[in-house]
Amino acid sequence: DIQMTQSPSSVSASVGDRVTITCRASQGISSWLAWYQQKPGKAPKLLIYDASSLQSGVPSRFSGSGSGTDFTLTISSLQPEDFATYYCQQANSFPLTFGGGTKVEIK
Amino acid sequence: EVQLVQSGAEVKKPGEPLKISCEVSGYRFSRYWIGWVRQMPGKGLEWMGIIYPGDSETRYSPAFQGQVTVSADKSNSTAYLQWSSLKASDTAMYYCARRLVPHDVFDIWGQGTMVTVSS
Repeated sequence: DIQMTQSPSSVSASVGDRVTITCRASQGISSWLAWYQQKPGKAPKLLIYDASSLQSGVPSRFSGSGSGTDFTLTISSLQPEDFATYYCQQANSFPLTFGGGTKVEIK
Repeated sequence: EVQLVQSGAEVKKPGEPLKISCEVSGYRFSRYWIGWVRQMPGKGLEWMGIIYPGDSETRYSPAFQGQVTVSADKSNSTAYLQWSSLKASDTAMYYCARRLVPHDVFDIWGQGTMVTVSS
């Protein structure tokens, strides 16, 4: 199985801050990576697929980059509604696997 | 509007069987894979398996192979996740979600079904 490691596990930030979350795959996955946002008590929401493609309806302050084993999710200017937990997911091979999550908290 | 609506919360005893459902609307059910994802209390997401309702082809994560069964009924556009004998460790939130091929991501999610297994 491909292991996905996210860092940091949590980050404290203020509204307007730039936030970057990292995801590392245990082996190369090309650009087969997605990012999801999950708010408490809610289902995950797809933000980014194919490492850098923005899902329809997702604000442009979210962006993704990377290929191979190292990927990043960037929120350019954090908004109040962005406080949530973010997960990466590799889409290269079965079984599909998720990172452990990064909680973005209010500073 | 594309929607996946899951069945309600369940409280069961160890050893009991269970089948939860995921009813799809707003698109042609047989054309998209449906996946199931587990989230244990306070923990992350785990992919369990997927099914293609068009021909009922299934794929399972090795961690869940033999532990659960995924099925689908085209006549009522509903996917199912079932256990023959629940364990306390099956206590979790279970999500169904629509799989996008070839991206292999999940673009539409159900609201989740909480399963509690306790004696």
